[in-house]
Amino acid sequence: KAGVTQTPRYLIKTRGQQVTLSCSPISGHRSVSWYQQTPGQGLQFLFEYFSETQRNKGNFPGRFSGRQFSNSRSEMNVSTLELGDSALYLCASSGTPDSGANVLTFGAGSRLTVL
Amino acid sequence: ILNVEQSPQSLHVQEGDSTNFTCSFPSSNFYALHWYRWETAKSPEALFVMTLNGDEKKKGQISATLNTKEGYSYLYIKGSQPEDSATYLCAFKGDSSYKLIFGSGTRLLVRP
Repeated sequence: KAGVTQTPRYLIKTRGQQVTLSCSPISGHRSVSWYQQTPGQGLQFLFEYFSETQRNKGNFPGRFSGRQFSNSRSEMNVSTLELGDSALYLCASSGTPDSGANVLTFGAGSRLTVL
Repeated sequence: ILNVEQSPQSLHVQEGDSTNFTCSFPSSNFYALHWYRWETAKSPEALFVMTLNGDEKKKGQISATLNTKEGYSYLYIKGSQPEDSATYLCAFKGDSSYKLIFGSGTRLLVRP
């Protein structure tokens, strides 16, 4: 079956712009979570959605937002981009969020560069 | 704030060497501990999920152990091969949270 699909894979924006990233989970997976990875940092948790509801949010400013659609596809948006937002954004899906034993399946990521 | 620490940060070994690294996590409210392997230019891939104190998991030449009472997990690679070169991430889930908290990873380079 198809894996987790993230688009776009690469993008370049300038400071002050906004960006929207998309994630299509594995078919049948209803939980989608987003992570940010910057050089020297581990994966920093952004948010997690299940059945169109945000179940958890990481310690990021309000410029970072997301949503999930009825088909489980998810988008995240970053407004008023800053240089420090340059990062790899990874999306991951799992069967349900209620079991920590469910592994995450990651997409290939969207690499954002802010100039 | 929950901290998940991994050590060492990086490791260079020769092909055929065995190696191990550590993941430390909060010893209270434990629910699950995940290990992922992240090769360059690829997506992180799940290796193991462990939920019980004393769990041991094995996949080929890679194995992991779990001690929830003292809050650590070890990952072992027996007879490392160049294709084992990757960053190994552990992630902790507490029983009051839906999110996984990742460590910064151990970057392993296996020289031929």
